Amino acid sequence: AQSVTQLDSQVPVFEEAPVELRCNYSSSVSVYLFWYVQYPNQGLQLLLKYLSGSTLVKGINGFEAEFNKSQTSFHLRKPSVHISDTAEYFCAVSEMLPNQFYFGTGTSLTVIP
Amino acid sequence: DGGITQSPKYLFRKEGQNVTLSCEQNLNHDAMYWYRQDPGQGLRLIYYSQIVNDFQKGDIAEGYSVSREKKESFPLTVTSAQKNPTAFYLCASSLDGNMNTEAFFGQGTRLTVV
Repeated sequence: AQSVTQLDSQVPVFEEAPVELRCNYSSSVSVYLFWYVQYPNQGLQLLLKYLSGSTLVKGINGFEAEFNKSQTSFHLRKPSVHISDTAEYFCAVSEMLPNQFYFGTGTSLTVIP
Repeated sequence: DGGITQSPKYLFRKEGQNVTLSCEQNLNHDAMYWYRQDPGQGLRLIYYSQIVNDFQKGDIAEGYSVSREKKESFPLTVTSAQKNPTAFYLCASSLDGNMNTEAFFGQGTRLTVV
């Protein structure tokens, strides 16, 4: 089974500064990668996904992520954060079969005015 | 609008009682999942179902039961055997259990044992 590591449990960042949220996964077999965002007491919303093709993936709200197979990483980045980006972010991995999703423990992003 | 509906949003249970959480989807998805979320532990898989009338245990199935009698419904029962049921429960679905697409999530049910 996969394991997903989000090294930073909390990331504070000033408004309009860049941010990177890190994600590493355990297996180098064919995987599919996702980033989700969760606002308090709500479900998870998909930010972006990597299924195949270009290793640089662009998502909603100005976020992007880069798939690095050799380093088994899928870090999330945004060049300039807004107050509204304050939320919990989850990295997820799924393998070929069956379609199970493995989640990291989450990173709490706090944008400071 | 298509989506996943979880009900109720908040649920209180007395110790020793069973309680059932509802999850309905109108996305025509084959696969459905139940996750438990606790602070600092991320999402842990309780049960999943790839197709109607079939389901498998996830990592923390003890004390929980599910059924999948209809494609659109995947209710979760938290039994009295679950020793620490207070948590946030998330239901999700994906298009096909054998095609790797993203999971879509409901808004969650917060269960509190009183």
